Amino acid sequence: KAGVTQTPRYLIKTRGQQVTLSCSPISGHRSVSWYQQTPGQGLQFLFEYFSETQRNKGNFPGRFSGRQFSNSRSEMNVSTLELGDSALYLCASSSPRDRGFGEKLFFGSGTQLSVL
Amino acid sequence: SQQGEEDPQALSIQEGENATMNCSYKTSINNLQWYRQNSGRGLVHLILIRSNEREKHSGRLRVTLDTSKKSSSLLITASRAADTASYFCATDDTGGFKTIFGAGTRLFVKA
Repeated sequence: KAGVTQTPRYLIKTRGQQVTLSCSPISGHRSVSWYQQTPGQGLQFLFEYFSETQRNKGNFPGRFSGRQFSNSRSEMNVSTLELGDSALYLCASSSPRDRGFGEKLFFGSGTQLSVL
Repeated sequence: SQQGEEDPQALSIQEGENATMNCSYKTSINNLQWYRQNSGRGLVHLILIRSNEREKHSGRLRVTLDTSKKSSSLLITASRAADTASYFCATDDTGGFKTIFGAGTRLFVKA
């Protein structure tokens, strides 16, 4: 069974540009979560999607958005990039059951975004 | 905001020694999980302990949970160089659909 796939692996952008990151969950997983990881702030929750619906959102500005498609693949978009958006963006999927509590997360390898 | 806080922030030991990492959290929980992250990669789930459990084992891993102190510990016995990684504790937000991670402990095992 293929794991969580994130593309691209590395990305370099300049300030003011926008970027779209992609995540394909494990087959059969319907919940997808996104995290931003930086050395200073650690792992910060961005949002969680289930069956194309955003069920929870972290404390990020509106420049950060996401969506989920009917095949459970998810994308996140960051508009008007700032230097501080440089980070490792991680996607995680969880089991076929409706995710409430205690579901373990399966992570992709992440997209390393550098904003110059 | 981070629910769990790990201690120590970094740990350096010799191969064969045991490594202990601690995690404290703030609110009541249904369960607590531990994950490992190799440098620049995604996290890998190690073990989950439920709030009604006090101790759990998996191979060389031993996790304890003390809900009265809102703390957990992860013990790795007979450490190997391959155990070099960052270790995170994680709990679920009370509203659900959101797992919150601590700042992590960086473990370095010297061969």
